[in-house]
Amino acid sequence: AQKVTQAQTEISVVEKEDVTLDCVYETRDTTYYLFWYKQPPSGELVFLIRRNSFDEQNEISGRYSWNFQKSTSSFNFTITASQVVDSAVYFCALSEAYFGNEKLTFGTGTRLTIIP
Amino acid sequence: NAGVTQTPKFRILKIGQSMTLQCAQDMNHNYMYWYRQDPGMGLKLIYYSVGAGITDKGEVPNGYNVSRSTTEDFPLRLELAAPSQTSVYFCASSYRGNSGNTIYFGEGSWLTVV
Repeated sequence: AQKVTQAQTEISVVEKEDVTLDCVYETRDTTYYLFWYKQPPSGELVFLIRRNSFDEQNEISGRYSWNFQKSTSSFNFTITASQVVDSAVYFCALSEAYFGNEKLTFGTGTRLTIIP
Repeated sequence: NAGVTQTPKFRILKIGQSMTLQCAQDMNHNYMYWYRQDPGMGLKLIYYSVGAGITDKGEVPNGYNVSRSTTEDFPLRLELAAPSQTSVYFCASSYRGNSGNTIYFGEGSWLTVV
Protein backbone atom coordinates (compact mmCIF):
# COMPACT_ATOMS: atom_id res chain seq x y z
CA ALA A 1 0.00 0.00 0.00
CA GLN A 2 1.12 3.50 -0.72
CA LYS A 3 1.38 6.17 1.93
CA VAL A 4 2.35 9.82 2.02
CA THR A 5 3.26 11.54 5.28
CA GLN A 6 3.37 15.26 5.80
CA ALA A 7 4.37 15.55 9.42
CA GLN A 8 4.10 19.33 9.54
CA THR A 9 0.44 20.16 10.09
CA GLU A 10 0.86 23.93 10.23
CA ILE A 11 3.78 26.29 9.63
CA SER A 12 3.92 30.03 10.09
CA VAL A 13 6.79 32.17 8.89
CA VAL A 14 7.35 35.86 8.48
CA GLU A 15 7.27 37.19 4.96
CA LYS A 16 10.56 36.90 3.06
CA GLU A 17 11.75 33.97 5.12
CA ASP A 18 12.51 30.66 3.46
CA VAL A 19 10.37 27.67 4.38
CA THR A 20 10.62 23.94 3.65
CA LEU A 21 7.66 21.60 3.59
CA ASP A 22 8.49 17.97 4.22
CA CYS A 23 7.06 14.95 2.42
CA VAL A 24 7.93 11.32 3.08
CA TYR A 25 6.39 8.53 1.03
CA GLU A 26 6.09 4.76 1.06
CA THR A 27 5.58 2.55 -1.98
CA ARG A 28 6.52 -0.90 -3.21
CA ASP A 29 6.55 0.25 -6.81
CA THR A 30 9.87 0.86 -8.49
CA THR A 31 8.29 3.36 -10.85
CA TYR A 32 6.03 6.04 -9.47
CA TYR A 33 5.28 9.75 -9.62
CA LEU A 34 5.39 12.39 -6.94
CA PHE A 35 3.40 15.61 -6.93
CA TRP A 36 2.92 18.82 -5.03
CA TYR A 37 -0.36 20.71 -5.12
CA LYS A 38 -1.31 24.06 -3.64
CA GLN A 39 -4.80 24.64 -2.26
CA PRO A 40 -5.44 28.35 -1.64
CA PRO A 41 -8.33 29.53 0.55
CA SER A 42 -10.61 29.51 -2.50
CA GLY A 43 -10.37 25.72 -2.45
CA GLU A 44 -9.19 24.71 -5.89
CA LEU A 45 -6.15 22.49 -6.40
CA VAL A 46 -3.23 24.10 -8.17
CA PHE A 47 -0.67 21.78 -9.73
CA LEU A 48 2.92 22.69 -8.84
CA ILE A 49 5.15 19.82 -9.92
CA ARG A 50 5.23 16.22 -11.04
CA ARG A 51 8.38 14.11 -10.65
CA ASN A 52 9.15 10.68 -12.08
CA SER A 53 10.86 8.28 -9.68
CA PHE A 54 13.75 7.83 -12.10
CA ASP A 55 14.51 11.51 -12.15
CA GLU A 56 16.25 12.53 -8.94
CA GLN A 57 17.44 15.89 -10.15
CA ASN A 58 16.39 18.76 -7.98
CA GLU A 59 14.16 21.28 -9.68
CA ILE A 60 13.86 25.02 -9.31
CA SER A 61 11.00 27.14 -10.59
CA GLY A 62 11.31 30.77 -9.59
CA ARG A 63 11.05 30.90 -5.79
CA TYR A 64 10.05 27.24 -5.60
CA SER A 65 12.46 24.33 -5.42
CA TRP A 66 12.06 20.61 -4.84
CA ASN A 67 14.51 18.13 -3.36
CA PHE A 68 13.86 14.49 -4.27
CA GLN A 69 15.88 11.85 -2.41
CA LYS A 70 14.99 8.21 -3.09
CA SER A 71 17.41 7.04 -0.40
CA THR A 72 15.24 8.65 2.27
CA SER A 73 11.93 8.46 0.35
CA SER A 74 11.49 12.19 0.63
CA PHE A 75 10.28 14.88 -1.73
CA ASN A 76 10.63 18.19 0.09
CA PHE A 77 9.41 21.55 -1.16
CA THR A 78 11.15 24.85 -0.39
CA ILE A 79 9.78 28.33 -0.91
CA THR A 80 12.45 31.01 -0.97
CA ALA A 81 11.67 34.58 0.08
CA SER A 82 8.09 33.69 1.00
CA GLN A 83 5.22 36.02 0.14
CA VAL A 84 1.75 36.44 1.60
CA VAL A 85 0.29 34.91 -1.58
CA ASP A 86 2.06 31.67 -0.69
CA SER A 87 -0.34 31.19 2.22
CA ALA A 88 -2.24 28.00 1.43
CA VAL A 89 -2.47 24.31 2.22
CA TYR A 90 0.13 22.29 0.35
CA PHE A 91 -0.35 18.63 -0.50
CA CYS A 92 2.22 16.07 -1.48
CA ALA A 93 0.88 13.11 -3.48
CA LEU A 94 2.08 9.83 -4.95
CA SER A 95 0.74 7.86 -7.89
CA GLU A 96 1.31 4.47 -9.42
CA ALA A 97 2.87 4.56 -12.85
CA TYR A 98 0.20 2.69 -14.77
CA PHE A 99 -0.38 3.81 -18.30
CA GLY A 100 -2.47 6.98 -18.13
CA ASN A 101 -4.05 5.98 -14.84
CA GLU A 102 -3.32 8.62 -12.24
CA LYS A 103 -4.70 7.26 -8.96
CA LEU A 104 -3.24 9.61 -6.40
CA THR A 105 -2.50 8.99 -2.73
CA PHE A 106 -2.40 12.30 -0.88
CA GLY A 107 -0.75 13.37 2.32
CA THR A 108 -2.82 15.21 4.89
CA GLY A 109 -1.40 18.56 3.88
CA THR A 110 0.61 21.35 5.50
CA ARG A 111 -1.11 24.65 6.17
CA LEU A 112 1.38 27.43 5.47
CA THR A 113 0.72 30.92 6.79
CA ILE A 114 2.95 33.78 5.72
CA ILE A 115 2.84 36.64 8.20
CA PRO A 116 3.22 40.08 6.66
CA ASN B 1 -11.84 24.39 -23.69
CA ALA B 2 -13.58 24.22 -20.28
CA GLY B 3 -11.45 21.42 -18.75
CA VAL B 4 -13.17 19.55 -15.92
CA THR B 5 -16.53 20.98 -14.91
CA GLN B 6 -18.33 20.01 -11.71
CA THR B 7 -21.87 20.88 -10.69
CA PRO B 8 -23.25 21.90 -8.29
CA LYS B 9 -20.56 23.87 -6.49
CA PHE B 10 -22.47 23.96 -3.21
CA ARG B 11 -25.28 21.75 -1.90
CA ILE B 12 -26.97 21.06 1.41
CA LEU B 13 -28.68 17.70 1.75
CA LYS B 14 -30.85 16.25 4.45
CA ILE B 15 -30.00 12.83 5.89
CA GLY B 16 -31.43 10.11 3.68
CA GLN B 17 -31.77 12.25 0.58
CA SER B 18 -30.14 11.32 -2.70
CA MET B 19 -28.29 13.42 -5.19
CA THR B 20 -25.89 13.25 -8.10
CA LEU B 21 -22.73 15.27 -8.50
CA GLN B 22 -22.08 15.91 -12.15
CA CYS B 23 -18.64 15.88 -13.74
CA ALA B 24 -17.86 16.54 -17.37
CA GLN B 25 -14.58 16.94 -19.25
CA ASP B 26 -14.11 18.11 -22.80
CA MET B 27 -10.53 16.95 -23.28
CA ASN B 28 -11.34 13.41 -24.48
CA HIS B 29 -9.52 11.88 -21.51
CA ASN B 30 -10.01 8.18 -20.92
CA TYR B 31 -9.36 8.29 -17.20
CA MET B 32 -11.64 9.98 -14.69
CA TYR B 33 -11.73 10.06 -10.91
CA TRP B 34 -13.76 11.15 -7.92
CA TYR B 35 -11.98 12.20 -4.74
CA ARG B 36 -13.34 13.48 -1.45
CA GLN B 37 -11.56 15.83 0.91
CA ASP B 38 -12.64 15.87 4.55
CA PRO B 39 -11.84 18.93 6.67
CA GLY B 40 -8.12 19.18 7.41
CA MET B 41 -7.33 16.10 5.39
CA GLY B 42 -5.92 15.14 2.03
CA LEU B 43 -7.97 13.80 -0.83
CA LYS B 44 -9.08 10.18 -0.90
CA LEU B 45 -10.10 8.27 -4.02
CA ILE B 46 -13.75 7.20 -4.14
CA TYR B 47 -14.12 5.71 -7.63
CA TYR B 48 -12.29 5.87 -10.90
CA SER B 49 -12.89 4.93 -14.52
CA VAL B 50 -10.41 3.91 -17.22
CA GLY B 51 -12.88 4.41 -20.03
CA ALA B 52 -16.53 4.48 -21.00
CA GLY B 53 -18.37 1.54 -19.48
CA ILE B 54 -15.61 0.71 -16.99
CA THR B 55 -15.52 1.80 -13.36
CA ASP B 56 -13.70 0.59 -10.28
CA LYS B 57 -13.62 1.27 -6.57
CA GLY B 58 -11.06 3.43 -4.91
CA GLU B 59 -10.15 3.71 -1.25
CA VAL B 60 -13.52 4.96 0.12
CA PRO B 61 -16.37 3.78 -2.17
CA ASN B 62 -19.04 2.95 0.42
CA GLY B 63 -22.19 5.01 0.08
CA TYR B 64 -21.47 6.05 -3.52
CA ASN B 65 -22.15 4.83 -7.02
CA VAL B 66 -20.78 5.94 -10.37
CA SER B 67 -21.42 5.33 -14.02
CA ARG B 68 -19.49 6.11 -17.19
CA SER B 69 -21.78 5.89 -20.17
CA THR B 70 -19.73 8.37 -22.21
CA THR B 71 -16.10 9.46 -22.29
CA GLU B 72 -17.10 12.97 -21.24
CA ASP B 73 -19.28 12.35 -18.19
CA PHE B 74 -18.62 10.68 -14.84
CA PRO B 75 -21.46 11.37 -12.37
CA LEU B 76 -21.20 10.44 -8.69
CA ARG B 77 -24.40 9.29 -6.99
CA LEU B 78 -25.13 9.47 -3.26
CA GLU B 79 -28.14 7.25 -2.58
CA LEU B 80 -28.83 7.78 1.13
CA ALA B 81 -26.91 10.81 2.32
CA ALA B 82 -25.27 10.56 5.74
CA PRO B 83 -23.49 13.22 7.81
CA SER B 84 -20.22 11.34 7.23
CA GLN B 85 -20.48 12.28 3.57
CA THR B 86 -20.13 15.96 4.36
CA SER B 87 -17.03 16.77 2.38
CA VAL B 88 -15.58 18.54 -0.61
CA TYR B 89 -15.70 16.42 -3.75
CA PHE B 90 -13.21 16.76 -6.57
CA CYS B 91 -13.56 15.24 -9.99
CA ALA B 92 -10.47 14.78 -12.13
CA SER B 93 -9.42 13.41 -15.49
CA SER B 94 -6.10 12.34 -16.93
CA TYR B 95 -4.40 11.20 -20.11
CA ARG B 96 -1.10 9.72 -21.11
CA GLY B 97 1.05 12.34 -22.81
CA ASN B 98 4.53 12.19 -24.29
CA SER B 99 6.06 13.28 -20.99
CA GLY B 100 3.85 11.06 -18.86
CA ASN B 101 0.46 11.30 -17.26
CA THR B 102 -1.22 14.63 -16.75
CA ILE B 103 -4.18 15.06 -14.41
CA TYR B 104 -6.69 17.88 -14.34
CA PHE B 105 -8.92 18.65 -11.36
CA GLY B 106 -12.31 20.34 -11.27
CA GLU B 107 -12.92 23.20 -8.87
CA GLY B 108 -14.66 21.08 -6.26
CA SER B 109 -18.20 20.60 -4.96
CA TRP B 110 -18.96 21.45 -1.33
CA LEU B 111 -21.56 19.07 0.11
CA THR B 112 -23.10 19.35 3.59
CA VAL B 113 -25.42 16.66 4.97
CA VAL B 114 -27.58 17.77 7.90
